[in-house]
Amino acid sequence: KNQVEQSPQSLIILEGKNCTLQCNYTVSPFSNLRWYKQDTGRGPVSLTIMTFSENTKSNGRYTATLDADTKQSSLHITASQLSDSASYICVVSLPDLYNTNAGKSTFGDGTTLTVKP
Amino acid sequence: DSGVTQTPKHLITATGQRVTLRCSPRSGDLSVYWYQQSLDQGLQFLIQYYNGEERAKGNILERFSAQQFPDLHSELNLSSLELGDSALYFCASSVGPPANTGELFFGEGSRLTVL
Repeated sequence: KNQVEQSPQSLIILEGKNCTLQCNYTVSPFSNLRWYKQDTGRGPVSLTIMTFSENTKSNGRYTATLDADTKQSSLHITASQLSDSASYICVVSLPDLYNTNAGKSTFGDGTTLTVKP
Repeated sequence: DSGVTQTPKHLITATGQRVTLRCSPRSGDLSVYWYQQSLDQGLQFLIQYYNGEERAKGNILERFSAQQFPDLHSELNLSSLELGDSALYFCASSVGPPANTGELFFGEGSRLTVL
């Protein structure tokens, strides 16, 4: 069982509509939670980064929320555009407790968003 | 452009062969990460290097190996290739580990096709 689960697996919406993607994690403790956007065949690009003490972070039309108590995060996309069609990946990073510079992160399988005209 | 360069972009080879994928991290980034993404699958972490030393290991097969050189570029070696190794291989770099909110910057990937 993946420690980072995303839902829905895929989503189709009409251009201009809003949508919300979910990420539930069991990773604990964690250092930060990130949302990435990955266009088909391209490398992921970071949208937002939140530490465990933050509960919301915005980047243009993208707003991420974090509830560390329930271990849930969401990514809300406002006024969707055709270019928002992509996979959205939730990533939870573990703290580097012993300063080993080890980058331990757990990736969700992503939500594939399709925006139709 | 993330500043992370991966070569080659595409590679087609036969089963049983060996290939080397190369990654140049962003200037100043000390950490390099390798990920595998099979068709319609999520990103699977393979291995991480920090300033030339291995720091974290994921589900990397024994047939695969990597190293980071003194100039900080990294190579991922895949040997005795099987059909199932066909995938996109991504390299990412960061100044420090993600735990310290070290942003991960991904390259555009190397697409490996094993026939």
